[in-house]
Amino acid sequence: DAKTTQPNSMESNEEEPVHLPCNHSTISGTDYIHWYRQLPSQGPEYVIHGLTSNVNNRMASLAIAEDRKSSTLILHRATLRDAAVYYCTLGYNDMRFGAGTRLTVKP
Amino acid sequence: GAVVSQHPSRVICKSGTSVKIECRSLDFQATTMFWYRQFPKQSLMLMATSNEGSKATYEQGVEKDKFLINHASLTLSTLTVTSAHPEDSSFYICSASGQYEQYFGPGTRLTVT
Repeated sequence: DAKTTQPNSMESNEEEPVHLPCNHSTISGTDYIHWYRQLPSQGPEYVIHGLTSNVNNRMASLAIAEDRKSSTLILHRATLRDAAVYYCTLGYNDMRFGAGTRLTVKP
Repeated sequence: GAVVSQHPSRVICKSGTSVKIECRSLDFQATTMFWYRQFPKQSLMLMATSNEGSKATYEQGVEKDKFLINHASLTLSTLTVTSAHPEDSSFYICSASGQYEQYFGPGTRLTVT
């Protein structure tokens, strides 16, 4: 069973922020939270990861709840190229994926 | 970022034949690699964990004699689909462990006719 749960799909308008949620209520104290995304017919690509503190990089921001049972990936200004399936995973070497969230970006 | 390549990107084979897919980490050494298969509109399904110099660890329900994995060096892991059947047609993806994250290959689309 996947250790994370995400909404199946979300929609966003271009150039608007997008908040992609992930629940991971069984997270252990040492599990990092990783986000990957997959464009059609491609392998997934790394987006961001964090442990306890919120994280920012050039692609996105990661907001982690204080109890670490949930997190939110934030795309500050969605573009058409951000349309993909976004996966939230826990740990590092236990690389099982849940169903992910299919993000549609409307022009 | 680090690069992982897969070869071939696409392959068509006949039922009963074997197909080998290569996964290479191009600019770093990977002691651990993962193999996945993905059916259309579905998530990635972990097939096995490949550790350099030792036997692969297969997920429950994955036949180790059908999906042969070899990780003979720190930069190369191979997946061989033996006696392929049409139901083995899928998108196969590998990943290699970097320092903090996984680096994924571009995938290999296998079609068995």
